[in-house]
Amino acid sequence: QVQLVESGGGVVQPGTSLRLSCAGSGFTFSSYVMHWVRQAPGRGLEWLTVISEDGSLKYYTDSVKGRFTISRDNSKNTLYLQMSSLRAEDTAVYYCATDPVVPTGVRYFDHWGQGTLLTVSS
Amino acid sequence: QTVVTQEPSFSVSPGGTVTLTCGLTSGSVSSSYYPSWYQQTPGQAPRTLISNTNTRSSGVPDRFSGSILGNKAALTITGAQADDESDYYCVLYMGGGIRVFGGGTKLTVL
Repeated sequence: QVQLVESGGGVVQPGTSLRLSCAGSGFTFSSYVMHWVRQAPGRGLEWLTVISEDGSLKYYTDSVKGRFTISRDNSKNTLYLQMSSLRAEDTAVYYCATDPVVPTGVRYFDHWGQGTLLTVSS
Repeated sequence: QTVVTQEPSFSVSPGGTVTLTCGLTSGSVSSSYYPSWYQQTPGQAPRTLISNTNTRSSGVPDRFSGSILGNKAALTITGAQADDESDYYCVLYMGGGIRVFGGGTKLTVL
């Protein structure tokens, strides 16, 4: 079955950088568009960024553009989120999610990981 | 900037029917926005309910249905059960790779 496992969260100081990972299994990783979504404590879900199946196309929401970079290594079935200049407001649970637009033509978040918590605090 | 709108909260009686909506501050929602719906309980990852306006995901009970009502996407729960008490989020595809979540609706079943 499809499994997505995020890792790399933790407690970091403002202004620092961190990389999150999302390991996929149980599906053909290289055939799927992938997303990062986050949820700040007590808040709603926020879409952050998407990457095409081959990594050639990337899009970001305005709040993270220029600070966050999405990437993937299809040989390792792994998605990444490189985050820099972290702020207290980046504190959230970060989820990765699959998007079956390539095999199905339909755009949505199909499968979700369990999330990894990032806390930005001094 | 266009915002995706949802009712902040809703209440339904057990066995009752409730319709949650997903709109835009500017314009109308249509199927070309690929509206999708997600359920989330505290401390859990979201669960995908509905994609492409009205396609139920595998394992989702048929009491959940999606549609376009007027100028909004809608999620209808028919015969609400206690374990439907959750937060519900819609997502719209805005073009150019961009997705936007609505603010979520907290559904109470009582």
